Amino acid sequence: QKEVEQNSGPLSVPEGAIASLNCTYSDRGSQSFFWYRQYSGKSPELIMFIYSNGDKEDGRFTAQLNKASQYVSLLIRDSQPSDSATYLCAVISSGSARQLTFGSGTQLTVLP
Amino acid sequence: GAGVSQSPSNKVTEKGKDVELRCDPISGHTALYWYRQSLGQGLEFLIYFQGNSAPDKSGLPSDRFSAERTGGSVSTLTIQRTQQEDSAVYLCASSPTGAKNIQYFGAGTRLSVL
Repeated sequence: QKEVEQNSGPLSVPEGAIASLNCTYSDRGSQSFFWYRQYSGKSPELIMFIYSNGDKEDGRFTAQLNKASQYVSLLIRDSQPSDSATYLCAVISSGSARQLTFGSGTQLTVLP
Repeated sequence: GAGVSQSPSNKVTEKGKDVELRCDPISGHTALYWYRQSLGQGLEFLIYFQGNSAPDKSGLPSDRFSAERTGGSVSTLTIQRTQQEDSAVYLCASSPTGAKNIQYFGAGTRLSVL
């Protein structure tokens, strides 16, 4: 069983819409959760991090964490074509040496 | 300031050769990580260094892989007797102490084993 699961997509949304990306994780003791954006051929770029249940907003991005459901999501408001990328969910599991465990990523395309 | 620097950006080698990949973390970052991203495999953890402590090597796929970190800064990942399945992008990340494990990635080294 994979430790971090994401829908691989592709997910397509029209420009200006809200893109919703979802991630579930298996280790209930996980404490730290991250969203990275990766453009094709580039390295992952940190978008958001969240540690506590609830919502965390940063500009057009909102991360949502529900530890009881072992679920973390990323909402992108007013999606732009430049948001088209693969979004990676990453978790630091309990007992780990602080390395990130990544999901397989969701490919997002924002259509102009 | 400067980000995580990796070299070379691309490396093509023949099967059976040894390769060395270099990572220069962000200045002052005490934690350094190596990951590998293979086509269709996603990102996987290889090894972790924290300050002068013994590294966590639990992610290394075989004994052909090794890494060292000199002076708590620059790290070198060595792959001996390369195989075709070693072809991947090797990513290095660093994190400052007490930063709740926020990791910043370098641009990676794309390794192709022919």
